[in-house]
Amino acid sequence: DTEVTQTPKHLVMGMTNKKSLKCEQHMGHRAMYWYKQKAKKPPELMFVYSYEKLSINESVPSRFSPECPNSSLLNLHLHALQPEDSALYLCASSPRAKNIQYFGAGTRLSVL
Amino acid sequence: GENVEQHPSTLSVQEGDSAVIKCTYSDSASNYFPWYKQELGKRPQLIIDIRSNVGEKKDQRIAVTLNKTAKHFSLHITETQPEDSAVYFCAAESSNDYKLSFGAGTTVTVRA
Repeated sequence: DTEVTQTPKHLVMGMTNKKSLKCEQHMGHRAMYWYKQKAKKPPELMFVYSYEKLSINESVPSRFSPECPNSSLLNLHLHALQPEDSALYLCASSPRAKNIQYFGAGTRLSVL
Repeated sequence: GENVEQHPSTLSVQEGDSAVIKCTYSDSASNYFPWYKQELGKRPQLIIDIRSNVGEKKDQRIAVTLNKTAKHFSLHITETQPEDSAVYFCAAESSNDYKLSFGAGTTVTVRA
């Protein structure tokens, strides 16, 4: 298995909803990342987990809450989002930090 | 932090011609430079990368060159084909942290 799998592929939520994005990899990678990507823009780093510990938080608002339950799984919990949070949310993994990153297909999020 | 500039922002080439995209970076400690291709609605995919101990790397029709002194690196695509049409992102990774800093992207269109 050489893929990073993200679910759901699409998500529509209201500003008062709570939802979660899920990312899974079974390549034995020990670093996992969340990125946000707006249309025609590069990915923007949000969080980095290394060996299941949060190592980088790029000053992301608290309405985004990451969680790494184990080395294969990464979640992003969403609460009270704003319409401007609508974007493609990409997960990536690498064998360890400072290494080639492999991206998942992303979750396209729309906040109404 | 690292700042990566990428040019041009759009590039239109005739099928069979070559395409060149250039990037500059600011952090002399950066030592890893990947290039990602992102087709519309799809994930960024690594197409080639280069580390700072190498000046050039080639993979079939794709090549990357690195000039550490000038702090710039370039992507060369030869014999372009319609399937090369996509957005291309360069990136640089600093040796100080786990972050990939992306360029703004180049939209490449190959005209048949």
